[in-house]
Amino acid sequence: GIQVEQSPPDLILQEGANSTLRCNFSDSVNNLQWFHQNPWGQLINLFYIPSGTKQNGRLSATTVATERYSLLYISSSQTTDSGVYFCAVDRPGNTPLVFGKGTRLSVIA
Amino acid sequence: DAGVTQSPTHLIKTRGQQVTLRCSPKSGHDTVSWYQQALGQGPQFIFQYYEEEERQRGNFPDRFSGHQFPNYSSELNVNALLLGDSALYLCASSYPSIIGGSGELFFGEGSRLTVL
Repeated sequence: GIQVEQSPPDLILQEGANSTLRCNFSDSVNNLQWFHQNPWGQLINLFYIPSGTKQNGRLSATTVATERYSLLYISSSQTTDSGVYFCAVDRPGNTPLVFGKGTRLSVIA
Repeated sequence: DAGVTQSPTHLIKTRGQQVTLRCSPKSGHDTVSWYQQALGQGPQFIFQYYEEEERQRGNFPDRFSGHQFPNYSSELNVNALLLGDSALYLCASSYPSIIGGSGELFFGEGSRLTVL
């Protein structure tokens, strides 16, 4: 099956700093989503981005499908950005969403 | 617009028991997927239901079974619980993508199962 690798596995930032999270995938994809898992376990949708660039406030994401990677940018980080960020992809056809292992982000004041 | 709702939020069982978890999808969604997330890991796909039938299944034993009702809500049943079944169980809903694949998934808050 498709492999999804996220880097870095852990990241510690000072409040106000910027960061880039990366997601590499091993095959062509139909769908790519970024999620933020809060400390209570809920997965919050950030972006549905099989290709191109999207922005939502301080967050933006870019997926380059032909080169099999996606980037999540967080600018001016806040303590509330802490948590685990997951990238998930699925392949063409009726295939389930496959998750990476996540990037654990800690933003300290 | 209600999002995906799951119940119960927390539960404790002992080895060998059976558990049923419930999920109501987001309004307008007809497809329900279940995921298991062990501590420190990413969610792992269990199975997906569409039109009251299991459409896809991940690498989970037959102890894991499910059901989808005509109103699109779903249940996940786990029999003969093992210690290793302790995890966060996540339900996600979507409507099928026109071009295939899962479509955009929306997740509930999860049911945290502890097996003693």
